[in-house]
Amino acid sequence: QKEVEQDPGPLSVPEGAIVSLNCTYSNSAFQYFMWYRQYSRKGPELLMYTYSSGNKEDGRFTAQVDKSSKYISLFIRDSQPSDSATYLCAGGNNRKLIWGLGTSLAVNP
Amino acid sequence: EAGVVQSPRYKIIEKKQPVAFWCNPISGHNTLYWYRQNLGQGPELLIRYENEEAVDDSQLPKDRFSAERLKGVDSTLKIQPAELGDSAVYLCASSPGPEANTEAFFGQGTRLTVV
Repeated sequence: QKEVEQDPGPLSVPEGAIVSLNCTYSNSAFQYFMWYRQYSRKGPELLMYTYSSGNKEDGRFTAQVDKSSKYISLFIRDSQPSDSATYLCAGGNNRKLIWGLGTSLAVNP
Repeated sequence: EAGVVQSPRYKIIEKKQPVAFWCNPISGHNTLYWYRQNLGQGPELLIRYENEEAVDDSQLPKDRFSAERLKGVDSTLKIQPAELGDSAVYLCASSPGPEANTEAFFGQGTRLTVV
């Protein structure tokens, strides 16, 4: 079992939809959770960063961590075609970071 | 401010040939990473440097891969000899802090095709 599991999709939604992206992790020592966005032929860029459990909101994006179920979520409200990208979750501690496979998202106008 | 710069952007080589990738991190970032990303996969850490010291190279296939970061700034990743399975995107990243949970800033990557 991989330490961070992520459904690779692809996920296709109409513009304006609410998108839910999810990951699970197995290592209970993980405290830090990140979502990176990767556009085609570009390097990943940090989108959201969460420490421990709880929610974090930034504009149309909300990151959620449930440590009891080892579940990480990213919600995108009012999705836009410019949100079309691969979304990578990552979890870890100050010594290591484990990446998911990434979920490919297409937002159709 | 310039981001992480990698070159070349693309490289096509025949198997058994050597290849090298170069990375210039963001100024002031002491931590430098080399990742490999296969199609449809997340990044896989190859090596992490703190200044000029390789502090985590446990995932680097040392029989054919080597890396260096002379003077703690630019870095080079080399493969010799390349194999078909080495075809991937090689990403360089840098961060201002040594902890694995510090934000990493990625370059655009070098797409390697081994034929």
